[in-house]
Amino acid sequence: AQSVTQLGSHVSVSEGALVLLRCNYSSSVPPYLFWYVQYPNQGLQLLLKYTSAATLVKGINGFEAEFKKSETSFHLTKPSAHMSDAAEYFCAVSSNQAGTALIFGKGTTLSVSS
Amino acid sequence: ETGVTQSPTHLIKTRGQQVTLRCSSQSGHNTVSWYQQALGQGPQFIFQYYREEENGRGNFPPRFSGLQFPNYSSELNVNALELDDSALYLCASSLDRSSRNNEQFFGPGTRLTVL
Repeated sequence: AQSVTQLGSHVSVSEGALVLLRCNYSSSVPPYLFWYVQYPNQGLQLLLKYTSAATLVKGINGFEAEFKKSETSFHLTKPSAHMSDAAEYFCAVSSNQAGTALIFGKGTTLSVSS
Repeated sequence: ETGVTQSPTHLIKTRGQQVTLRCSSQSGHNTVSWYQQALGQGPQFIFQYYREEENGRGNFPPRFSGLQFPNYSSELNVNALELDDSALYLCASSLDRSSRNNEQFFGPGTRLTVL
């Protein structure tokens, strides 16, 4: 069975600082991994996805993530935080059992201060 | 291109009642998934429908049921509501059930409060 663990329920950074949101996964099959962002009172929007084509994945809004099989990690980074990046971020792995369901972590709230 | 829409936006029910939530999938998408997101938690998979048939189910009791219609829109029904059913219910549509790397497009959700 697959699972995802997001380390740190809340991350605070200053505007212009590096953003690092951590995600570790467990999967019995080659994983497909996703990062979604959720703004207040909205649904989830895909930031990026890993599908085994390349280990460094670039997404929207300047975010990227690196798949490291040896560390079972898929951490999300952004070189310079903007105020508009403040949101909830979810890491997810695609299930190989229940249809094509996504299994989500508990989320990390990113706060950006000026 | 119209995105995923859900109705209603908010809903308040009493324990023991029944509720129906609705979702219209993105144009061209034949697969719909439903998720429950409790406050402060990540979304949890309820079930998925592909071409009007259930294609997978998470760890939810039978009082959570669903339907998918020929136009690929979908309903989530919850019977005998419990207080713990209070959550944001998210619908997501995707192009094809068979590919695990397919992006799922999420609607804005329905906020259900059970009193």
